Amino acid sequence: EAGVTQSPTHLIKTRGQQVTLRCSPISGHTSVYWYQQALGLGLQFLLWYDEGEERNRGNFPPRFSGRQFPNYSSELNVNALELEDSALYLCASSQGTGFGAYTQYFGPGTRLTVL
Amino acid sequence: AQSVAQPEDQVNVAEGNPLTVKCTYSVSGNPYLFWYVQYPNRGLQFLLKYITGDNLVKGSYGFEAEFNKSQTSFHLKKPSALVSDSALYFCAVSLLSSNTGKLIFGQGTTLQVKP
Repeated sequence: EAGVTQSPTHLIKTRGQQVTLRCSPISGHTSVYWYQQALGLGLQFLLWYDEGEERNRGNFPPRFSGRQFPNYSSELNVNALELEDSALYLCASSQGTGFGAYTQYFGPGTRLTVL
Repeated sequence: AQSVAQPEDQVNVAEGNPLTVKCTYSVSGNPYLFWYVQYPNRGLQFLLKYITGDNLVKGSYGFEAEFNKSQTSFHLKKPSALVSDSALYFCAVSLLSSNTGKLIFGQGTTLQVKP
């Protein structure tokens, strides 16, 4: 069974640019989660999508946004990139929500570098 | 506020010896607890979880963890460490009482297993 896939693997952008990261969940999973892993800040929850709807977002500015498509894949968009947006962006998926009981399975991540 | 603490930045152990990676949590309700492992330049790999029931949970690759409600701890253990266990380990919690989709992570513990 294929795991969570993310693209691209690496990205280099400059300040002020916009970026789109993509995630395909495990087959049969309907929930997709985005996390940011920045150096020194640990893993921070960004967004949660389930059945095409945004269910929750973490403490990030509105320039971080995303969507979930009918096939449950997801995009994370970051506008007006800042240097501190440099991080590993991890996508995870789960079968459902189950009030946190379902395991989140993570993809390999997209490494974003902002210069 | 909910939080997870991993009090040791690094744990060093000799191959063949038992290992323990510590995790304590602070939540306002009943927690679901998870352990993940991250190898260099990779995403997070699920090891095990505690939802309910037996306090001793067995997971992948010979790892196990013990849920201790009175001490609010969920330490990861393995009877005999392998060099290939060297990686970054994260403890995480989600809450039974809410449906935020969010995993709250500890800051991570680097496990170094020496031959």
